[in-house]
Amino acid sequence: TQLLEQSPQFLSIQEGENLTVYCNSSSVFSSLQWYRQEPGEGPVLLVTVVTGGEVKKLKRLTFQFGDARKDSSLHITAAQPGDTGLYLCASRYKLSFGAGTTVTVRA
Amino acid sequence: DAGVIQSPRHEVTEMGQEVTLRCKPISGHNSLFWYRQTMMRGLELLIYFNNNVPIDDSGMPEDRFSAKMPNASFSTLKIQPSEPRDSAVYFCASTQDVSSYNSPLHFGNGTRLTVT
Repeated sequence: TQLLEQSPQFLSIQEGENLTVYCNSSSVFSSLQWYRQEPGEGPVLLVTVVTGGEVKKLKRLTFQFGDARKDSSLHITAAQPGDTGLYLCASRYKLSFGAGTTVTVRA
Repeated sequence: DAGVIQSPRHEVTEMGQEVTLRCKPISGHNSLFWYRQTMMRGLELLIYFNNNVPIDDSGMPEDRFSAKMPNASFSTLKIQPSEPRDSAVYFCASTQDVSSYNSPLHFGNGTRLTVT
């Protein structure tokens, strides 16, 4: 079983729509990280969340860390084709990654 | 900064052959990681080094896999003998301080290994 469970596995939306992806665990984390991976490349860090209930914004991307620090979400507003990629959540505990959500934004 | 450099980008080999993957971490980074990525299992940590010393190799699948880090600027992952189920993308990553969440992992572009 994965330490970090991500959902959905795949998401395909039209340009301009909003989307949310989730990262859940039964464990409590001191921090969680979100990475984005594009085809043929390695993952690149987007953000680190540390405090329970924390909300961080990166342009059209909003990241939230659950109050209990067991889960996190990534919300993209008005998605664009450039947002297409594999979104991975990660924990420094055991240096583990979730299985990821593949997001496709159609023009 | 050139980033983490991996070679080769693609490797196709026959079952039973030895495969060596190479990685040059970012200068000044103290920790180096080898991951394997497949559709079925996602990103799995194989092994990581801190100051050139292997710290956790519990993810190494079996004795056919070995990794070395002879100095701070070079690491290898060797598979001998290779098997078709080893086909995957292998990533190397490095970070300045593995104990700090403020120190992100920087990944190379991976080596796509195909074993026929």
